[in-house]
Amino acid sequence: KQEVTQIPAALSVPEGENLVLNCSFTDSAIYNLQWFRQDPGKGLTSLLLIQSSQREQTSGRLNASLDKSSGRSTLYIAASQPGDSATYLCAPRRNSGGSNYKLTFGKGTLLTVNP
Amino acid sequence: NAGVTQTPKFRILKIGQSMTLQCTQDMNHNYMYWYRQDPGMGLKLIYYSVGAGITDKGEVPNGYNVSRSTTEDFPLRLELAAPSQTSVYFCASSYNPVSYEQYFGPGTRLTVT
Repeated sequence: KQEVTQIPAALSVPEGENLVLNCSFTDSAIYNLQWFRQDPGKGLTSLLLIQSSQREQTSGRLNASLDKSSGRSTLYIAASQPGDSATYLCAPRRNSGGSNYKLTFGKGTLLTVNP
Repeated sequence: NAGVTQTPKFRILKIGQSMTLQCTQDMNHNYMYWYRQDPGMGLKLIYYSVGAGITDKGEVPNGYNVSRSTTEDFPLRLELAAPSQTSVYFCASSYNPVSYEQYFGPGTRLTVT
């Protein structure tokens, strides 16, 4: 059974700082891994999808890396802004049987960027 | 495109009542999913569908039912609501679950008292 751990559970940083969010997973037989952000009381917004054959994926100030063999992914946020404040979730995807390519979610990292 | 839409946004149910949570997507995605999110926990998959007429159970299906009569709609039915079903429910869809992202709706916050 896939278990996903996100460290730290909460992070508070001053505006402008570069930061790294960590995600580890126990089953490395994954197809890809998706990073989401969730604003309070809102749904999930997809940030990056990184395929198992990729090492990195970038979108603007965000960079996600994936080391499938060691079961780790990191989300790097450059020059953080108060608008980045949200909960960040990682979700590796594996085939759990038949057509269920299952996303397993971590509990998330709550990021607060202070002006 | 509206993406994935869900109704209602909020609902309070009494124990034993029933209701249907609606989910619609306009992206012509074959794959659709229902998740629940409890406070401080990760999302858990309730049911999923790989196309019209085809549904299957996820991790936590007890107390729920689904149907998929069209590509666009994937309603989730709660029969005999229980306090343990108090949660936030998210619907999601994807074109292809292996290579493509899942897109999420805004959620339905349900309280059972």
